[in-house]
Amino acid sequence: EDQVTQSPEALRLQEGESSSLNCSYTVSGLRGLFWYRQDPGKGPEFLFTLYSAGEEKEKERLKATLTKKESFLHITAPKPEDSATYLCAVQAAGSGGYQKVTFGTGTKLQVIP
Amino acid sequence: KAGVTQTPRYLIKTRGQQVTLSCSPISGHRSVSWYQQTPGQGLQFLFEYFSETQRNKGNFPGRFSGRQFSNSRSEMNVSTLELGDSALYLCASSLEAEWDGYTFGSGTRLTVV
Repeated sequence: EDQVTQSPEALRLQEGESSSLNCSYTVSGLRGLFWYRQDPGKGPEFLFTLYSAGEEKEKERLKATLTKKESFLHITAPKPEDSATYLCAVQAAGSGGYQKVTFGTGTKLQVIP
Repeated sequence: KAGVTQTPRYLIKTRGQQVTLSCSPISGHRSVSWYQQTPGQGLQFLFEYFSETQRNKGNFPGRFSGRQFSNSRSEMNVSTLELGDSALYLCASSLEAEWDGYTFGSGTRLTVV
C-alpha cells in the first residue's frame, strides 16, 4: 500500500529563519510528487510537481527537491504570509490505467513576525 | 479562467438526513475526484469520475456515492448522515491527457449535528 509521511507535523519559525519540510514516501511506480499549500478553510493550492530523483523546482522563497525516497520543501527567509499547511502527494499508476494519488497529512507551518 | 466551483460552501444537517454536494470542474477537465478532509485523517480519497464513469473508489461505506454528468459536473451524496461525517469535502479536477496535479475547489464544510 502506498504511504506518504510528512514531518514535522507542525513547525514554528521566526520570520527570516529558514527550514525544511520533509515528505517520505513508499509507492510502487512513482509517476510524480506534488506539493500543495492549504490555507484554513480553503482547498489546497498547487505549488510544484517533481517527476524524477534529482529534480528541483523553485518559486519565490520555496524550493522543492526529490530523491528516490523523499522530498524536501525548503523555505528560505520565510515571511508570515507563508504560514499555511503544506501537503505532499504522490501519484502512481493504479490498476486499470487510472492515476492513484495519496496525500500525506501535512505540515502546519507558522511564521512569527 | 474559472476555477473549480463547489456548492454550497457550508451545510448543517441532522443525523440520519442525507446531503448532496455539487462540483463544477474547470472547463475542459474531464476527471473529477472527491476527498474528505478531517483534522485527524487528513485528505481521504472518496472516488474519481471520468466521462460519467466511476474509475476508482476509496474505502468509504456505501452511504457515500457520486455521479458525473455529461458536462463533467459532479455530485456526491451522503445518506443516513452520522456525526463522524462532519468534514470538509473537497472536489478536484484534472486534465486526463496531461495529468499534472489537481486543481481543488474551496470545499463544502459539512457539519452533522
